[in-house]
Amino acid sequence: GENVEQHPSTLSVQEGDSAVIKCTYSDSASNYFPWYKQELGKGPQLIIDIRSNVGEKKDQRIAVTLNKTAKHFSLHITETQPEDSAVYFCAASRYSGGYQKVTFGIGTKLQVIP
Amino acid sequence: DTAVSQTPKYLVTQMGNDKSIKCEQNLGHDTMYWYKQDSKKFLKIMFSYNNKELIINETVPNRFSPKSPDKAHLNLHINSLELGDSAVYFCASSQNTGEKLFFGSGTQLSVL
Repeated sequence: GENVEQHPSTLSVQEGDSAVIKCTYSDSASNYFPWYKQELGKGPQLIIDIRSNVGEKKDQRIAVTLNKTAKHFSLHITETQPEDSAVYFCAASRYSGGYQKVTFGIGTKLQVIP
Repeated sequence: DTAVSQTPKYLVTQMGNDKSIKCEQNLGHDTMYWYKQDSKKFLKIMFSYNNKELIINETVPNRFSPKSPDKAHLNLHINSLELGDSAVYFCASSQNTGEKLFFGSGTQLSVL
C-alpha cells in the first residue's frame, strides 16, 4: 500500500518568515495530493491540493510543489502569521477498486512565534 | 450552519460499555468517512460509505460497526469498549471519494 512520509514533525518559525513542510510518497499511481490544516480542538481543513498533472499551485501565501519523478511534494507558507500555527497534514491519494484511497502523513506541528 | 456535525463532542465511559457517535452532513455529499486520530495525531481511515454502501473497511475490530441510514448520516457504534479505543474520532464527507474531505470537529472518546 501507499506510504507517506512527512517531515519535520515540528517546526518553529518567526512571524514573517517562511515555512516549508516536505512529504514523500511511495506509490507512483498516486494522483491527488491535498494538504490539511488542523487547529487545536478542530477537525482538519483542506487548505490546498494539487493533482499529478500539475507541478505547482499557489493560493495567496500558500503554495504546493510536486515532483512526480522524485515522488515528493512540499507545502510552502510565506510571510507566516501567528494564526498559521497548527498541525499540517499532507496526503496522497490514488484510484483503487472504484474509489480514491487517501493516506495521510504523520503531521507537522507548526509554531509561528510573534 | 455546520457542514459536518458530529455528536457528542466528548464521551467518557467505562471499559466494556457500548456507545454510539452520530454524524450528519448538509453538503449533499455522496461519500462519508470515519477516521481515528490517536494521541500522536496520526489520522487513520476506518470506514467509508458511498451512497449508503460500504466501500472502505480497514482493519478495524468487529466491535466497531458503522451504519448509514441515508447518505447524509453515518453513525458509529462501538461495543465492549477497551482502553485502546480512547482517541478522537472524526467524521468526514466529500463529493468525490477521497478528494476534498470536509471534517467534523471530532468526538474525543475516553475509556476509563
